[in-house]
Amino acid sequence: DAEITQSPRHKITETGRQVTLACHQTWNHNNMFWYRQDLGHGLRLIHYSYGVHDTNKGEVSDGYSVSRSNTEDLPLTLESAASSQTSVYFCASRDSGGNEQFFGPGTRLTVL
Amino acid sequence: AQSVTQPDIHITVSEGASLELRCNYSYGATPYLFWYVQSPGQGLQLLLKYFSGDTLVQGIKGFEAEFKRSQSSFNLRKPSVHWSDAAEYFCAVVYGGATNKLIFGTGTLLAVQP
Repeated sequence: DAEITQSPRHKITETGRQVTLACHQTWNHNNMFWYRQDLGHGLRLIHYSYGVHDTNKGEVSDGYSVSRSNTEDLPLTLESAASSQTSVYFCASRDSGGNEQFFGPGTRLTVL
Repeated sequence: AQSVTQPDIHITVSEGASLELRCNYSYGATPYLFWYVQSPGQGLQLLLKYFSGDTLVQGIKGFEAEFKRSQSSFNLRKPSVHWSDAAEYFCAVVYGGATNKLIFGTGTLLAVQP
């Protein structure tokens, strides 16, 4: 069955380190999204991509970057992790012709 | 700005009681509307969605939601809550146009008392 996976599921890192969270989907969806989930804020959009080599900033993109070298993957990089980036991160994908997004299981990131 | 409001942060109901979770959105045109559920430590699962047509939408797990244009609302309901429904519920909207992005409410945490 097609699916969307995230790795690692849990990560602890130190302030200032570079961290990359992986997202991989096997639906062949063109659209992919990264969200962070924080208490009192729901899910907020970090970055999104509508296809290979396309990336766009969401509402909370500062301190994050993404790259899209193929259809299946959209890795999220924290260039220099900060304690404010401690959160749960969700990746999602959507077919170009649809409006429903399918979510991965999430990655819990702790920055000490 | 486009936004989604879930006014109830936390709701507690007794098992077997009825449930209504509120969701309001701000936008001139009709957006696409969704309800997601998140069980503890899990990802988001789609309960139901509304794009057009019949304003009463049936979803999985016995949930339904009604779109009311005049109130800019999309409230989620269930006639009889089960203990397994304890979770966090998120309302979300997609506004059309070039960006077509999903905007989430802040969530409602549902506790179910035996």
